[in-house]
Amino acid sequence: DAGVIQSPRHEVTEMGQEVTLRCKPISGHDYLFWYRQTMMRGLELLIYFNNNVPIDDSGMPEDRFSAKMPNASFSTLKIQPSEPRDSAVYFCASSYGRITTIYFGEGSWLTVV
Amino acid sequence: QQPVQSPQAVILREGEDAVINCSSSKALYSVHWYRQKHGEAPIFLMILLKGGEQKGHDKISASFNEKKQQSSLYLTASQLSYSGTYFCGLQDDGGNEKLTFGTGTRLTIIP
Repeated sequence: DAGVIQSPRHEVTEMGQEVTLRCKPISGHDYLFWYRQTMMRGLELLIYFNNNVPIDDSGMPEDRFSAKMPNASFSTLKIQPSEPRDSAVYFCASSYGRITTIYFGEGSWLTVV
Repeated sequence: QQPVQSPQAVILREGEDAVINCSSSKALYSVHWYRQKHGEAPIFLMILLKGGEQKGHDKISASFNEKKQQSSLYLTASQLSYSGTYFCGLQDDGGNEKLTFGTGTRLTIIP
């Protein structure tokens, strides 16, 4: 079975540009999570969806960040405009059920210069 | 609020044992343990649910003390493959699905 698929794997962009990260969760999973990982702050939950509906976005740092899940097999995390402090690894993860294993994608490594 | 893990880092010789602790200020429903190798995604190890259970497979086991709001991960007779950063993820007892990760413990196993 395919795991969680993220794209792009690596992105280098200039400050002020729009960045869109994409995620395809594991088929059949009803929860999707976006995490950000940095050395300073560790793994932070940004937002999560249940059945395509955003449940908790309290971790989204600013209005510059937005996330959508138009259908069960696709989600995007958008940063507009991007800033150097947004440089991090962004992980998408999915799970089936409330209290269960969460499967992580391989991450999108974002560098904003 | 982020769970607190200790120690932050530990270096062991192959064959030695390690204990990683995770504590929270909130009442917990479940504890998840993950291991992450450099440049890779976190990989699931185990889940423990409220009820004070203990779980294990191979030489890695964990306990969950809900009264103390703590969990510990035990690695016995460590192998080189155990190297990585270990994270606990906690779900509080409020009925939501949020998994909040701890600060991580970097484990280095040397031959």
